[in-house]
Amino acid sequence: GNSVTQMEGPVTLSEEAFLTINCTYTATGYPSLFWYVQYPGEGLQLLLKATKADDKGSNKGFEATYRKETTSFHLEKGSVQVSDSAVYFCALSEYSGGGADGLTFGKGTHLIIQP
Amino acid sequence: DGGITQSPKYLFRKEGQNVTLSCEQNLNHDAMYWYRQDPGQGLRLIYYSQIVNDFQKGDIAEGYSVSREKKESFPLTVTSAQKNPTAFYLCASSRTGGFDEQYFGPGTRLTVT
Repeated sequence: GNSVTQMEGPVTLSEEAFLTINCTYTATGYPSLFWYVQYPGEGLQLLLKATKADDKGSNKGFEATYRKETTSFHLEKGSVQVSDSAVYFCALSEYSGGGADGLTFGKGTHLIIQP
Repeated sequence: DGGITQSPKYLFRKEGQNVTLSCEQNLNHDAMYWYRQDPGQGLRLIYYSQIVNDFQKGDIAEGYSVSREKKESFPLTVTSAQKNPTAFYLCASSRTGGFDEQYFGPGTRLTVT
């Protein structure tokens, strides 16, 4: 079956530091890949996505590149802010013959940015 | 504004009682989903529905039931058969199934004592 593995936290960085959160996946076909962000007590918000190999998703200074050869989708940001503190989830979606199967999520990475 | 609403935000129930969580969307999306979130475990799929009057079990459907009588509504019932119902429940929708991104509601935190 499908699976997503991401580094678990908490990850603690100082403001303006460079961020990388690793994500690797296992899928039988050609999935779409997503990063979602969750602030305390809230639902998930889509941060960025990529639908095919070598695509780069980007939003709000975050970016991730779909690497089929390494089955990875690492999230990066050049200079983090305190407001980036949240839990980040890597996820994949793979269309099966029967239709939508929902997203497969990693366990989430708690990011803490210190001023 | 288009979006997904879940109510209530917090819900408390006694063990042995069934409880229904509400999920409504006005995005005109065909597909809807229910996930359960537990600390350190990410999100797990409970049920999903691609069209009205049709739904499928996800990875952890035991002890839960759903209905999809209207396109905009996908209520989840947590039955007394669910052994460990205390969790954060998230509803989502997508335009269609498959590769479309999902949009999430704010969640309902259910506590059963």
